[in-house]
Amino acid sequence: SAVISQKPSRDICQRGTSLTIQCQVDSQVTMMFWYRQQPGQSLTLIATANQGSEATYESGFVIDKFPISRPNLTFSTLTVSNMSPEDSSIYLCSVELDRGRSETQYFGPGTRLLVL
Amino acid sequence: SQKIEQNSEALNIQEGKTATLTCNYTNYSPAYLQWYRQDPGRGPVFLLLIRENEKEKRKERLKVTFDTTLKQSLFHITASQPADSATYLCALVTDSWGKLQFGSGTQVVVTP
Repeated sequence: SAVISQKPSRDICQRGTSLTIQCQVDSQVTMMFWYRQQPGQSLTLIATANQGSEATYESGFVIDKFPISRPNLTFSTLTVSNMSPEDSSIYLCSVELDRGRSETQYFGPGTRLLVL
Repeated sequence: SQKIEQNSEALNIQEGKTATLTCNYTNYSPAYLQWYRQDPGRGPVFLLLIRENEKEKRKERLKVTFDTTLKQSLFHITASQPADSATYLCALVTDSWGKLQFGSGTQVVVTP
């Protein structure tokens, strides 16, 4: 299994500002994913972040709005840029430990973001 | 368009009974399907994975079936307990890199 931590756990931000969310894993992983979960909704994949390559974004999400860094195999950041109230959501990172042997994804506790 | 549907209404069930949740999908041919549990304020926790060539999978009091003809998975919690109260999400793999598409989830409430 994997233990994943996220920082901050929650934040309240003003519109027009940016917030960087950190995701730390206790083991080296190839695949990391960033999701958004809006109130009362299910998870929507924002992007896939593999170490050593550019993040791959899903339809409706762009790098300018959600830049992602993946400097090593245990860490990633997601920035929510130029925030608006519509960005209020829970942001979760997840990892897959060993593609091909186990397709389980392990999720962090999430970052609750409120944009005023 | 691709769609994953779970019953949006909460399932209220008495302790000891079996809870059955449904996950229907269209325009997918997933190699596998997963079920996750999510508690309020927490990230989802993996429960079970079932592959397209498997009809049924069990883990303790949990059972999952997968019918690729009907494009449906059923998730059963037998001998339910109040601690089983949570939202249950089904997720389909959409590519070889493991990208998951999640359903909207079904809340289960088990009363003593």
